[in-house]
Amino acid sequence: NAGVTQTPKFQVLKTGQSMTLQCAQDMNHNSMYWYRQDPGMGLRLIYYSASEGTTDKGEVPNGYNVSRLNKREFSLRLESAAPSQTSVYFCASSEVWRTDTQYFGPGTRLTVL
Amino acid sequence: AQSVAQPEDQVNVAEGNPLTVKCTYSVSGNPYLFWYVQYPNRGLQFLLKYITGDNLVKGSYGFEAEFNKSQTSFHLKKPSALVSDSALYFCAVRDGSENNRLAFGKGNQVVVIP
Repeated sequence: NAGVTQTPKFQVLKTGQSMTLQCAQDMNHNSMYWYRQDPGMGLRLIYYSASEGTTDKGEVPNGYNVSRLNKREFSLRLESAAPSQTSVYFCASSEVWRTDTQYFGPGTRLTVL
Repeated sequence: AQSVAQPEDQVNVAEGNPLTVKCTYSVSGNPYLFWYVQYPNRGLQFLLKYITGDNLVKGSYGFEAEFNKSQTSFHLKKPSALVSDSALYFCAVRDGSENNRLAFGKGNQVVVIP
C-alpha cells in the first residue's frame, strides 16, 4: 500500500495564479484532511471531509476550496494564490473521523511569489 | 476549544540518555491525545495515542507516554535516545465532542548528540 500520496511535491506560483493540490489514499479510509504547516505554528487544519460527500471548514479555510472527488481522493484548490499561502501542505486520512489515528502524506511545498 | 502547549523549542540530549518531550493540553471533556514525529522533508508519522485505559501508553520505536489527568500532561519519553531519534515531535489533542478538530502543538525539535 502506498498510504497517502500527494502531488506535486514542490510548486512555485505567482500571486494571483491558481492551482490544485491532489491527495489520494489507498487505505479505504472514510475521513480526509488538509493541513498547512508553518514554522513555529504546528499544523493548522484548513478543511476536512468526515465522509465521502461531505466537507467542512477547519481553522484556516479562507482562500481555499476543497473537493472530495470520491472516497480515495480529496483535492485542495487555491483560486488566487497569495504570498501568505506560502507553506507546506499536508493531506491526511483516518478510518473513523473522531477517534482514529490520522495518517499523513509526504507534503507539498508551495511558494507564492 | 482544545489546545496544546509544548513549552520547549528544542530538546538536546546525549545519545544513550533518557529523552523527555513535554506536552500539556486543554480540552473540555475527555481528551484523545496523540504524538507524531516528523523527519526532515517528510510527512508526520504516528507514534502513539491515548484514548482511554492505562495511563502509560507504549508506541513505536521504543517511545512511551504517560497520561496525567490532574496535571493535564502527556509527556513523551524514551529510556535511551538514539541519534536517529533526532526529529521534530508534535503533540496533538482532540476532545470527545462532535468537534473533529485535532489541535497540534508547535512542535519540539529533538537533537540527539553522539
